[in-house]
Amino acid sequence: EPEVTQTPSHQVTQMGQEVILRCVPISNHLYFYWYRQILGQKVEFLVSFYNNEISEKSEIFDDQFSVERPDGSNFTLKIRSTKLEDSAMYFCASSEVLLAHGELFFGEGSRLTVL
Amino acid sequence: GENVEQHPSTLSVQEGDSAVIKCTYSDSASNYFPWYKQELGKRPQLIIDIRSNVGEKKDQRIAVTLNKTAKHFSLHITETQPEDSAVYFCAERPLEFKAAGNKLTFGGGTRVLVKP
Repeated sequence: EPEVTQTPSHQVTQMGQEVILRCVPISNHLYFYWYRQILGQKVEFLVSFYNNEISEKSEIFDDQFSVERPDGSNFTLKIRSTKLEDSAMYFCASSEVLLAHGELFFGEGSRLTVL
Repeated sequence: GENVEQHPSTLSVQEGDSAVIKCTYSDSASNYFPWYKQELGKRPQLIIDIRSNVGEKKDQRIAVTLNKTAKHFSLHITETQPEDSAVYFCAERPLEFKAAGNKLTFGGGTRVLVKP
């Protein structure tokens, strides 16, 4: 069964450093997302991406965050200058169609620890 | 705005009993309501969803009910088993057929513990 894959599974970084989280969505999917989950809390929407551009972003997704689809398969999340409060599990997700018509598939997550 | 309240935050049941989790939402445009199960350290996985054109949907031991007038929906798990122990999240998404604005807003989660 096809699935969303993410790397790295865990990254430890120093405050102020740049971090890039990588994702390979399911191959025939058209919509891509990043969500995050601070330990013990709910899943929070960061950004959605369709047709090579951001379609929606939350207030969490400030100027320190950016997304890119550099080729036909990868979808990356960059945090330019990490803060302690960026420590969380970051989930990439994809869907074939609009969510109300199809399922949102999550990757296994990338745990980011900012020291 | 979009806000989803989920109760209870924790739920402990005896194996074989039923578990019920309730969510309320504020966005009257919401028309799609999925439920996700997240085991410890794992990704959230869809277990059931419901759209506004139906009031109830069932899949084996899991059922979801929706009351659009009252803006709440519930997950019902019958004959609970130890493997049902996990965190369950409700979510909502307005049903709008457009390319932009395609996200889910999640509730705070319910930690379910099924005691053998």
